Amino acid sequence: QKEVEQNSGPLSVPEGAIASLNCTYSDRGSQSFFWYRQYSGKSPELIMFIYSNGDKEDGRFTAQLNKASQYVSLLIRDSQPSDSATYLCAVRDNQGGKLIFGQGTELSVKP
Amino acid sequence: DTGVSQNPRHKITKRGQNVTFRCDPISEHNRLYWYRQTLGQGPEFLTYFQNEAQLEKSRLLSDRFSAERPKGSFSTLEIQRTEQGDSAMYLCASSSPGASIYGYTFGSGTRLTVV
Repeated sequence: QKEVEQNSGPLSVPEGAIASLNCTYSDRGSQSFFWYRQYSGKSPELIMFIYSNGDKEDGRFTAQLNKASQYVSLLIRDSQPSDSATYLCAVRDNQGGKLIFGQGTELSVKP
Repeated sequence: DTGVSQNPRHKITKRGQNVTFRCDPISEHNRLYWYRQTLGQGPEFLTYFQNEAQLEKSRLLSDRFSAERPKGSFSTLEIQRTEQGDSAMYLCASSSPGASIYGYTFGSGTRLTVV
């Protein structure tokens, strides 16, 4: 059973701080990794993808990938109250192509 | 391109009734996925289609669940003899193989409540 693990939180950070969200995965052969944001009552929205070791930056978001440690993270700089949501880590299954999701981490950014 | 469309948005049904949900993917996407999400959990994979072919089904998909994608366009997900444990958000997503590294796009979901 291929698994994706996240701390469910909630993770609370003050406005302007850096939020760090973490994810581990079990399938060493995984190649593509995704972060989705999900507001309460809404569907997931893709915010970042990464498939090479190292960092990938997009605005206030940085995704970090370490395949040797089977670890993916998302950093949100200058956190805003509007960033308060659940963040889902997903890993593409190489055998079928579907995405396997973690249980999500709830982030709360306090003004 | 109007995105992935799901209908209905909400469905309340009595236990034992059958329900059917519809998903219209982004027009140029040939892959279509169904997921189920319960409160506090991530989306769980149910099944996916490439064009009209159903290529994979999760063992979560009991024989009460059936999905179709006639002509490789819209898809339907039917649940027969609903149970209270079927209450969840049912999410549809689509993608094209060439852009698969970019993830896929979800619809707004259908929230099912079984009473």
